[in-house]
Amino acid sequence: RKEVEQDPGPFNVPEGATVAFNCTYSNSASQSFFWYRQDCRKEPKLLMSVYSSGNEDGRFTAQLNRASQYISLLIRDSKLSDSATYLCVVNRLYTGNQFYFGTGTSLTVIP
Amino acid sequence: NAGVTQTPKFQVLKTGQSMTLQCAQDMNHEYMSWYRQDPGMGLRLIHYSVGAGITDQGEVPNGYNVSRSTTEDFPLRLLSAAPSQTSVYFCASSYGGLSTDTQYFGPGTRLTVL
Repeated sequence: RKEVEQDPGPFNVPEGATVAFNCTYSNSASQSFFWYRQDCRKEPKLLMSVYSSGNEDGRFTAQLNRASQYISLLIRDSKLSDSATYLCVVNRLYTGNQFYFGTGTSLTVIP
Repeated sequence: NAGVTQTPKFQVLKTGQSMTLQCAQDMNHEYMSWYRQDPGMGLRLIHYSVGAGITDQGEVPNGYNVSRSTTEDFPLRLLSAAPSQTSVYFCASSYGGLSTDTQYFGPGTRLTVL
């Protein structure tokens, strides 16, 4: 079973829409959780960390449900510039601090 | 700061050839790692280092060697290239290797093995 599973999409949404991505992780010992953004043929960049209490950064809201081993990312008022692939990432400190990446969810925001 | 730099950007090899992918960072980060990204697989960890002189294997280490003689540099060596090593390779670094540290990625090396 994969460490991290994401719906690959693609999600095609109009500008201004709200879109949600989900991610599940298999190992309950996972310590830290992140969403990274990857533009076409570029390197991944940190979008936001995900905290147990949930956290918000502008139009982006991340939620963590440890009991269900589930992470989500909500994007409100989508912009054209949000078009990218969103990677769900988890980390287990006691395995050499290895980060495990999902395969990514592709988002295209349409004018 | 240049951040994390990787060379070359593109490379084509023939089966059996060897080469070294270069990675350098100027942020004085202790933790560095190499990933490969393949369609439908996500990024997978090849090798990582928690400081100069210390390296360890990740999820997919076979066919690759690393060394870390300085804090700044973390080269990845392909010993005898195989078509299965065709991939995009990313180097990453983070400050202290804590699970909460942000990873900074280089721009990637696109490798094709014929």
